[in-house]
Amino acid sequence: EPEVTQTPSHQVTQMGQEVILRCVPISNHLYFYWYRQILGQKVEFLVSFYNNEISEKSEIFDDQFSVERPDGSNFTLKIRSTKLEDSAMYFCASSDRSGRQYFGPGTRLTVT
Amino acid sequence: AQSVTQLDSQVPVFEEAPVELRCNYSSSVSVYLFWYVQYPNQGLQLLLKYLSGSTLVKGINGFEAEFNKSQTSFHLRKPSVHISDTAEYFCAVSDNQGAQKLVFGQGTRLTINP
Repeated sequence: EPEVTQTPSHQVTQMGQEVILRCVPISNHLYFYWYRQILGQKVEFLVSFYNNEISEKSEIFDDQFSVERPDGSNFTLKIRSTKLEDSAMYFCASSDRSGRQYFGPGTRLTVT
Repeated sequence: AQSVTQLDSQVPVFEEAPVELRCNYSSSVSVYLFWYVQYPNQGLQLLLKYLSGSTLVKGINGFEAEFNKSQTSFHLRKPSVHISDTAEYFCAVSDNQGAQKLVFGQGTRLTINP
């Protein structure tokens, strides 16, 4: 089965630093997403991306967050100035038009 | 906007017993429904999905779920669980307008006792 990959698996950063989380979606997919899961809580939608622009974002996705698809394969999430409350597992997902989203294994972000 | 309620935060069952994990949703539009499983320290794996057609859907690992539109429910069932089914289970909904965001429930931790 095709896979979404994410790097790094674990990122530790200091408060106020910028981080970039990377994802390689499934190659023929058109829709891309970022979700996060704070420890012990439910998975929350952050942003969706289609046709090289954001199609929807949640209230969590404020000006500190940005997404980019810099080439034909990568999809990145940047947090400009991390806060302690950004510590979470971040999942990337991609889908075709069927509605099924394939999730990556996640990046655990720890902000100290 | 959609929302999902998983009524049980934890469900302990004995091995080989049947299990039902409950999920209710609310939405003003037609929806797609999903169950995902998360094993410890791993990502989300799709168990099964309802997009249209038969209201009884079968997924991987012997799980099935039934879409009940009148009760706005999508409960997950397995007739006989194994130790390896110990995991967190998430119900999710999206509207059916193309590939839309998923809205997840709080999750149900299924613990299988020997």
